[in-house]
Amino acid sequence: AQKITQTQPGMFVQEKEAVTLDCTYDTSDPSYGLFWYKQPSSGEMIFLIYQGSYDQQNATEGRYSLNFQKARKSANLVISASQLGDSAMYFCAMRGSLSGGYNKLIFGAGTRLAVHP
Amino acid sequence: DGGITQSPKYLFRKEGQNVTLSCEQNLNHDAMYWYRQDPGQGLRLIYYSQIVNDFQKGDIAEGYSVSREKKESFPLTVTSAQKNPTAFYLCASSIAGGLDTQYFGPGTRLTVL
Repeated sequence: AQKITQTQPGMFVQEKEAVTLDCTYDTSDPSYGLFWYKQPSSGEMIFLIYQGSYDQQNATEGRYSLNFQKARKSANLVISASQLGDSAMYFCAMRGSLSGGYNKLIFGAGTRLAVHP
Repeated sequence: DGGITQSPKYLFRKEGQNVTLSCEQNLNHDAMYWYRQDPGQGLRLIYYSQIVNDFQKGDIAEGYSVSREKKESFPLTVTSAQKNPTAFYLCASSIAGGLDTQYFGPGTRLTVL
């Protein structure tokens, strides 16, 4: 079965510092994708970054980078230079298989990040 | 601006009533999805649709129904058969159903009184 585990219910970070949010996954599929989404208090899920299982390099998008360690089945999100607006819930998700080759997202329980001034 | 809209933002319903949540996208995406989020949890898939007039059950479809008469629209009906409907509902879309990133709407918070 495919599963995403986020072991940190909450994290605190000082403004302008870097923070790492942990994510481990379990799948037997050789091809898969890993996503990180941000959910502010308004509720909308905002796509941050994507990593494919065959990608040779770690994904980066601005201040976000994904520390992908395939052998350890981990896909941690690193946010550099934290800002107050980064305070939100963060969800790690994996592309899971549906019938006909289509995909769904399997989500972890999320990590609540609080950025302090 | 292209995007996904959901309405209403907040919805209150009496027990025993059906209610329909709207989801519209102007991204020209083929695939659309409905997810449910309960407090402190991640999202779970209710229904998905890859093309017009076709849709499939997700992991928690019982008590829900959908239609896909237009590419842009994928409404979700929460029926009286849904035993615990109070939740946050999110609609998503992707270019196609394969490897593409899913983008989400702002969500509808449903409360059953």
